[in-house]
Amino acid sequence: KQEVTQIPAALSVPEGENLVLNCSFTDSAIYNLQWFRQDPGKGLTSLLLIQSSQREQTSGRLNASLDKSSGRSTLYIAASQPGDSATYLCAVPYGNKLVFGAGTILRVKS
Amino acid sequence: NAGVTQTPKFQVLKTGQSMTLQCAQDMNHEYMSWYRQDPGMGLRLIHYSVGAGITDQGEVPNGYNVSRSTTEDFPLRLLSAAPSQTSVYFCASGRQGELFFGEGSRLTVL
Repeated sequence: KQEVTQIPAALSVPEGENLVLNCSFTDSAIYNLQWFRQDPGKGLTSLLLIQSSQREQTSGRLNASLDKSSGRSTLYIAASQPGDSATYLCAVPYGNKLVFGAGTILRVKS
Repeated sequence: NAGVTQTPKFQVLKTGQSMTLQCAQDMNHEYMSWYRQDPGMGLRLIHYSVGAGITDQGEVPNGYNVSRSTTEDFPLRLLSAAPSQTSVYFCASGRQGELFFGEGSRLTVL
């Protein structure tokens, strides 16, 4: 059974800090990993998709890495801004579904 | 770019009533799914479909019905609403493990 864990559960940082969100999964036989952002009362917005053959993927100030052998992924946010405040979720495919972590609630203070 | 469109955004039902949550996507994805999101429970898969005419159950299918007559549409039917079905419902479509979500439908059952 695939289980996904995200650490920390919540994070509060001052504006401008670089930060790292962690995601771990128990079954390393995955073919990709997806990071999402969810704003309060909104749907999930796909941020980055890392294929199993890739070690990292970048989009603007976001960089996601994937280490299948250790069952870990990290999402690095550079120069954080108040607009980055949201819940960040990682998810991996398992059968015909995605298994989600519980998310990290990020608050960036101005 | 419409992506995944869900209607209605908000709905209040009385116990025992039935209703249908609509989901449409314009990305020609074969895979579509319904999740519910509850505090402390994360996202749980209700039903999914891998193509027109093919549906299957997820983790929490009881009390819900789906059909897939076209590639674009994947409605979710609540047969006899119960207070335990109060939740936020998300429809998602995708391929090769990458999912795109709608904005959600917030359902309250009194």
